[in-house]
Amino acid sequence: DAGVTQSPTHLIKTRGQQVTLRCSPKSGHDTVSWYQQALGQGPQFIFQYYEEEERQRGNFPDRFSGHQFPNYSSELNVNALLLGDSALYLCASSLRAEWWRSYGYTFGSGTRLTVV
Amino acid sequence: DAKTTQPPSMDCAEGRAANLPCNHSTISGNEYVYWYRQIHSQGPQYIIHGLKNNETNEMASLIITEDRKSSTLILPHATLRDTAVYYCIVRVPEDTGRRALTFGSGTRLQVQP
Repeated sequence: DAGVTQSPTHLIKTRGQQVTLRCSPKSGHDTVSWYQQALGQGPQFIFQYYEEEERQRGNFPDRFSGHQFPNYSSELNVNALLLGDSALYLCASSLRAEWWRSYGYTFGSGTRLTVV
Repeated sequence: DAKTTQPPSMDCAEGRAANLPCNHSTISGNEYVYWYRQIHSQGPQYIIHGLKNNETNEMASLIITEDRKSSTLILPHATLRDTAVYYCIVRVPEDTGRRALTFGSGTRLQVQP
């Protein structure tokens, strides 16, 4: 049973460019959340998708957008990249209806984005 | 989610018990204590959670004080593979899997050979 799969694992982009990161949730999960983790800090919540709609959003500008597909996979798009966008981007999946499950979220290993 | 306070770093000798503290003095009655860890270059991984009784699973034990204002995660026989950042999170279980997790800076545990 595959866990959360993220692609690519590493990415280098230039300031001002746009980037798309991809996430396939764990089998059976229907909710995808995205987190940004700067070096030396804890993950910060970007947004969450469920039923192909953005349900919650953290304190991130509109340059960060996303999408969820009918198969529950998701994309994170970042426009007009800044040097400060360099971070590890984590995808976490969960099953909304089974909130009582202790583990809650399953995280992928992330995409390391470097903006130069 | 209630605010938590953890020491930024700790060392532990391999084979010894690692005791990681967490303060959560503003915890509400219906909030649980969750622990996650993040090994280098991986995403966070759930370890254990509890309300007020001590809990144990195959990975760790969780000791919550009687007033619930603090807790300790115990790794009974730490190995080099336990070197990671450990996060203590307090939240209501109904939020699990539905609302965002709020991570602090965590405790960086270094297990020494």
